[in-house]
Amino acid sequence: NAGVTQTPKFQVLKTGQSMTLQCAQDMNHNSMYWYRQDPGMGLRLIYYSASEGTTDKGEVPNGYNVSRLNKREFSLRLESAAPSQTSVYFCASVLRLTSDNEQFFGPGTRLTVL
Amino acid sequence: GQQLNQSPQSMFIQEGEDVSMNCTSSSIFNTWLWYKQDPGEGPVLLIALYKAGELTSNGRLTAQFGITRKDSFLNISASIPSDVGIYFCAGQLYGNNRLAFGKGNQVVVIP
Repeated sequence: NAGVTQTPKFQVLKTGQSMTLQCAQDMNHNSMYWYRQDPGMGLRLIYYSASEGTTDKGEVPNGYNVSRLNKREFSLRLESAAPSQTSVYFCASVLRLTSDNEQFFGPGTRLTVL
Repeated sequence: GQQLNQSPQSMFIQEGEDVSMNCTSSSIFNTWLWYKQDPGEGPVLLIALYKAGELTSNGRLTAQFGITRKDSFLNISASIPSDVGIYFCAGQLYGNNRLAFGKGNQVVVIP
């Protein structure tokens, strides 16, 4: 099992460009999450998906959209990147939302917006 | 969002020493988790706690779920160089399906 995989690992964008961060898990988990990590801020939830076909906003959703493509994949899209979106992005998954504890994290995508 | 107060924010310790860190909240949690993040990697779950007063060990790591349900601590005994990293606490609020994270504690082990 690869666990949670994320692509790309690194990305540099110019202000206004768009991109999609990909996440996939092979653990047959139902719930998936996108977080961003900034220095001194811990992990902040952007969006989550309790199950295939559903998505909900987290703590910092502005400037992002998500798609739960199927049970395995959950993508995060930046339509018009801004320097404030420079961050490390982590995808995570858990078996069921009601057991929202033992989340498994991917290795992260390091995004710089110039 | 819900804030967890994690202290200290950074620690420099001598190899072989014990390390303690804690996490507090103004709200009651029904689950406490401790994660470790190595440089350039995602957080990895170390210990999960589900009951007030619960004390759980994982090798040299010991964590406790506070009796008040508003705090938790993590202890690392006999630290080694590979203990270097950022340690995060996380909690699940009762009746809420999402986790709140602390800001992390950077641990540096000096050989």
